Amino acid sequence: GENVEQHPSTLSVQEGDSAVIKCTYSDSASNYFPWYKQELGKRPQLIIDIRSNVGEKKDQRIAVTLNKTAKHFSLHITETQPEDSAVYFCAASRGNNDMRFGAGTRLTVKP
Amino acid sequence: DGGITQSPKYLFRKEGQNVTLSCEQNLNHDAMYWYRQDPGQGLRLIYYSQIVNDFQKGDIAEGYSVSREKKESFPLTVTSAQKNPTAFYLCASSIAADLYEQYFGPGTRLTVT
Repeated sequence: GENVEQHPSTLSVQEGDSAVIKCTYSDSASNYFPWYKQELGKRPQLIIDIRSNVGEKKDQRIAVTLNKTAKHFSLHITETQPEDSAVYFCAASRGNNDMRFGAGTRLTVKP
Repeated sequence: DGGITQSPKYLFRKEGQNVTLSCEQNLNHDAMYWYRQDPGQGLRLIYYSQIVNDFQKGDIAEGYSVSREKKESFPLTVTSAQKNPTAFYLCASSIAADLYEQYFGPGTRLTVT
Protein backbone atom coordinates (compact mmCIF):
# COMPACT_ATOMS: atom_id res chain seq x y z
CA GLY A 1 0.00 0.00 0.00
CA GLU A 2 0.84 3.67 -0.13
CA ASN A 3 3.32 5.11 2.35
CA VAL A 4 3.65 8.86 2.81
CA GLU A 5 6.56 10.43 4.62
CA GLN A 6 6.56 14.07 5.63
CA HIS A 7 9.43 16.33 6.69
CA PRO A 8 10.22 18.19 8.81
CA SER A 9 8.08 17.26 11.80
CA THR A 10 8.50 20.76 13.23
CA LEU A 11 9.39 24.01 11.50
CA SER A 12 9.92 27.43 13.00
CA VAL A 13 10.26 30.53 10.83
CA GLN A 14 10.29 34.26 11.31
CA GLU A 15 7.26 36.21 10.16
CA GLY A 16 7.70 37.17 6.52
CA ASP A 17 10.00 34.27 5.71
CA SER A 18 9.05 31.32 3.52
CA ALA A 19 8.25 27.83 4.76
CA VAL A 20 8.63 24.61 2.82
CA ILE A 21 7.25 21.21 3.80
CA LYS A 22 8.12 18.11 1.80
CA CYS A 23 6.40 14.77 1.34
CA THR A 24 7.37 11.61 -0.48
CA TYR A 25 5.06 8.80 -1.53
CA SER A 26 5.65 5.24 -2.58
CA ASP A 27 2.76 4.29 -4.88
CA SER A 28 3.31 5.50 -8.43
CA ALA A 29 -0.44 5.08 -9.07
CA SER A 30 -1.26 7.92 -6.65
CA ASN A 31 -2.77 10.79 -8.55
CA TYR A 32 -4.23 13.20 -6.01
CA PHE A 33 -2.22 15.11 -3.40
CA PRO A 34 -4.04 17.37 -0.93
CA TRP A 35 -2.64 19.49 1.86
CA TYR A 36 -4.60 20.09 5.04
CA LYS A 37 -4.10 22.69 7.75
CA GLN A 38 -5.16 21.88 11.29
CA GLU A 39 -5.18 24.62 13.88
CA LEU A 40 -5.01 23.66 17.52
CA GLY A 41 -8.16 21.87 18.61
CA LYS A 42 -9.86 22.29 15.22
CA ARG A 43 -10.66 20.11 12.26
CA PRO A 44 -8.26 19.66 9.32
CA GLN A 45 -9.17 21.90 6.40
CA LEU A 46 -8.06 21.56 2.82
CA ILE A 47 -5.83 24.46 1.79
CA ILE A 48 -4.61 23.32 -1.62
CA ASP A 49 -4.48 20.18 -3.71
CA ILE A 50 -2.82 19.01 -6.89
CA ARG A 51 -3.47 16.22 -9.32
CA SER A 52 -0.85 14.20 -11.14
CA ASN A 53 -1.39 15.88 -14.49
CA VAL A 54 -0.14 19.19 -13.08
CA GLY A 55 3.36 20.06 -11.87
CA GLU A 56 2.59 23.16 -9.86
CA LYS A 57 -0.40 24.99 -8.45
CA LYS A 58 -0.54 28.31 -6.68
CA ASP A 59 -3.15 30.07 -4.57
CA GLN A 60 -2.02 33.46 -3.27
CA ARG A 61 0.78 32.79 -0.75
CA ILE A 62 0.49 29.02 -0.99
CA ALA A 63 1.90 26.81 -3.71
CA VAL A 64 2.33 23.09 -4.20
CA THR A 65 4.79 21.41 -6.53
CA LEU A 66 4.73 17.79 -7.67
CA ASN A 67 7.57 15.71 -9.06
CA LYS A 68 6.04 12.45 -10.26
CA THR A 69 9.34 10.96 -11.32
CA ALA A 70 10.86 11.39 -7.90
CA LYS A 71 7.50 10.79 -6.17
CA HIS A 72 7.63 13.83 -3.99
CA PHE A 73 5.56 16.94 -3.54
CA SER A 74 6.05 20.08 -1.51
CA LEU A 75 4.05 22.86 0.10
CA HIS A 76 5.46 26.36 -0.11
CA ILE A 77 4.16 29.22 2.00
CA THR A 78 5.55 32.66 1.27
CA GLU A 79 5.42 35.80 3.42
CA THR A 80 4.41 33.75 6.44
CA GLN A 81 2.14 35.28 9.06
CA PRO A 82 1.48 34.24 12.68
CA GLU A 83 -1.93 32.90 11.64
CA ASP A 84 -0.15 30.37 9.42
CA SER A 85 0.96 28.62 12.61
CA ALA A 86 -0.70 25.19 12.61
CA VAL A 87 -0.07 21.54 11.83
CA TYR A 88 0.05 20.78 8.12
CA PHE A 89 -0.67 17.33 6.70
CA CYS A 90 0.08 16.06 3.25
CA ALA A 91 -1.75 13.11 1.75
CA ALA A 92 -1.63 10.94 -1.34
CA SER A 93 -4.44 9.02 -2.95
CA ARG A 94 -5.16 6.95 -6.03
CA GLY A 95 -8.88 7.14 -5.37
CA ASN A 96 -11.12 4.39 -4.03
CA ASN A 97 -10.82 5.62 -0.46
CA ASP A 98 -7.11 4.91 -0.38
CA MET A 99 -5.93 8.27 0.98
CA ARG A 100 -2.80 8.07 3.15
CA PHE A 101 -1.67 10.94 5.32
CA GLY A 102 1.77 12.08 6.36
CA ALA A 103 2.56 12.41 10.06
CA GLY A 104 2.22 16.19 10.01
CA THR A 105 4.45 19.25 10.34
CA ARG A 106 3.99 21.69 13.17
CA LEU A 107 4.72 25.14 11.74
CA THR A 108 5.38 28.02 14.10
CA VAL A 109 5.65 31.53 12.72
CA LYS A 110 7.34 33.89 15.14
CA PRO A 111 6.20 37.52 15.07
CA ASP B 1 -17.50 25.35 9.28
CA GLY B 2 -20.93 23.69 9.15
CA GLY B 3 -22.07 20.66 7.24
CA ILE B 4 -20.49 17.82 9.17
CA THR B 5 -20.86 17.53 12.90
CA GLN B 6 -19.54 15.22 15.57
CA SER B 7 -20.70 14.85 19.11
CA PRO B 8 -19.72 15.03 21.81
CA LYS B 9 -16.49 17.03 21.64
CA TYR B 10 -15.06 15.26 24.70
CA LEU B 11 -16.01 11.79 25.89
CA PHE B 12 -14.82 9.88 28.94
CA ARG B 13 -15.38 6.17 29.49
CA LYS B 14 -14.24 3.44 31.77
CA GLU B 15 -12.22 0.59 30.36
CA GLY B 16 -14.38 -2.32 29.24
CA GLN B 17 -17.31 -0.18 28.09
CA ASN B 18 -18.40 0.23 24.50
CA VAL B 19 -18.91 3.80 23.36
CA THR B 20 -20.51 5.24 20.23
CA LEU B 21 -19.32 8.40 18.52
CA SER B 22 -21.76 10.34 16.40
CA CYS B 23 -21.11 11.76 12.92
CA GLU B 24 -23.78 13.58 10.92
CA GLN B 25 -23.53 15.47 7.63
CA ASN B 26 -26.05 17.54 5.69
CA LEU B 27 -23.85 17.95 2.62
CA ASN B 28 -25.60 15.16 0.71
CA HIS B 29 -22.26 13.37 0.45
CA ASP B 30 -22.24 9.71 -0.48
CA ALA B 31 -18.92 8.77 1.10
CA MET B 32 -18.05 8.98 4.78
CA TYR B 33 -14.91 8.10 6.72
CA TRP B 34 -13.62 7.62 10.23
CA TYR B 35 -10.03 8.41 11.14
CA ARG B 36 -8.06 8.14 14.30
CA GLN B 37 -5.45 10.80 15.09
CA ASP B 38 -2.63 10.13 17.52
CA PRO B 39 0.26 12.50 18.26
CA GLY B 40 3.00 12.26 15.64
CA GLN B 41 1.17 9.68 13.53
CA GLY B 42 -1.08 11.63 11.22
CA LEU B 43 -4.52 10.28 10.40
CA ARG B 44 -5.22 6.58 10.09
CA LEU B 45 -8.34 5.21 8.42
CA ILE B 46 -10.61 3.07 10.58
CA TYR B 47 -13.66 2.51 8.36
CA TYR B 48 -15.22 4.06 5.30
CA SER B 49 -18.58 3.91 3.57
CA GLN B 50 -19.17 4.69 -0.09
CA ILE B 51 -22.97 4.43 0.03
CA VAL B 52 -25.77 3.66 2.43
CA ASN B 53 -25.76 0.14 3.86
CA ASP B 54 -22.20 -0.42 2.74
CA PHE B 55 -18.95 0.01 4.64
CA GLN B 56 -15.42 -1.31 4.45
CA LYS B 57 -12.54 -1.75 6.88
CA GLY B 58 -9.63 0.64 6.78
CA ASP B 59 -6.12 0.06 8.09
CA ILE B 60 -6.98 -0.13 11.79
CA ALA B 61 -10.53 -1.52 12.00
CA GLU B 62 -9.89 -4.01 14.81
CA GLY B 63 -11.90 -3.14 17.90
CA TYR B 64 -14.24 -0.78 16.03
CA SER B 65 -17.61 -1.16 14.34
CA VAL B 66 -19.77 1.13 12.21
CA SER B 67 -23.18 1.30 10.57
CA ARG B 68 -24.54 3.33 7.66
CA GLU B 69 -28.32 3.07 7.79
CA LYS B 70 -28.84 6.64 6.63
CA LYS B 71 -26.90 8.75 4.16
CA GLU B 72 -26.47 11.49 6.73
CA SER B 73 -25.17 9.38 9.59
CA PHE B 74 -22.11 7.20 10.13
CA PRO B 75 -21.70 6.34 13.83
CA LEU B 76 -18.55 4.66 15.11
CA THR B 77 -18.58 2.26 18.07
CA VAL B 78 -15.37 1.80 19.98
CA THR B 79 -15.63 -1.60 21.58
CA SER B 80 -13.90 -3.00 24.63
CA ALA B 81 -11.76 -5.05 22.24
CA GLN B 82 -9.90 -1.92 21.12
CA LYS B 83 -6.68 -2.05 23.13
CA ASN B 84 -5.72 1.64 22.99
CA PRO B 85 -8.96 3.58 22.47
CA THR B 86 -7.83 6.92 23.87
CA ALA B 87 -7.39 9.17 20.84
CA PHE B 88 -8.86 11.99 18.77
CA TYR B 89 -11.45 10.68 16.31
CA LEU B 90 -12.25 12.52 13.11
CA CYS B 91 -15.15 11.88 10.78
CA ALA B 92 -15.03 13.06 7.18
CA SER B 93 -17.21 13.00 4.10
CA SER B 94 -16.80 13.50 0.38
CA ILE B 95 -19.23 13.94 -2.49
CA ALA B 96 -18.34 10.51 -3.78
CA ALA B 97 -15.56 8.07 -3.15
CA ASP B 98 -13.69 8.99 -6.31
CA LEU B 99 -13.96 12.76 -6.16
CA TYR B 100 -11.36 12.87 -3.44
CA GLU B 101 -11.75 16.08 -1.42
CA GLN B 102 -12.72 15.18 2.12
CA TYR B 103 -14.44 17.53 4.54
CA PHE B 104 -13.74 16.91 8.20
CA GLY B 105 -15.88 17.19 11.29
CA PRO B 106 -14.63 18.94 14.44
CA GLY B 107 -13.58 15.67 16.07
CA THR B 108 -14.26 13.84 19.31
CA ARG B 109 -11.57 13.38 21.90
CA LEU B 110 -12.15 10.05 23.64
CA THR B 111 -10.43 9.26 26.92
CA VAL B 112 -10.71 5.77 28.36
CA THR B 113 -9.42 5.12 31.87
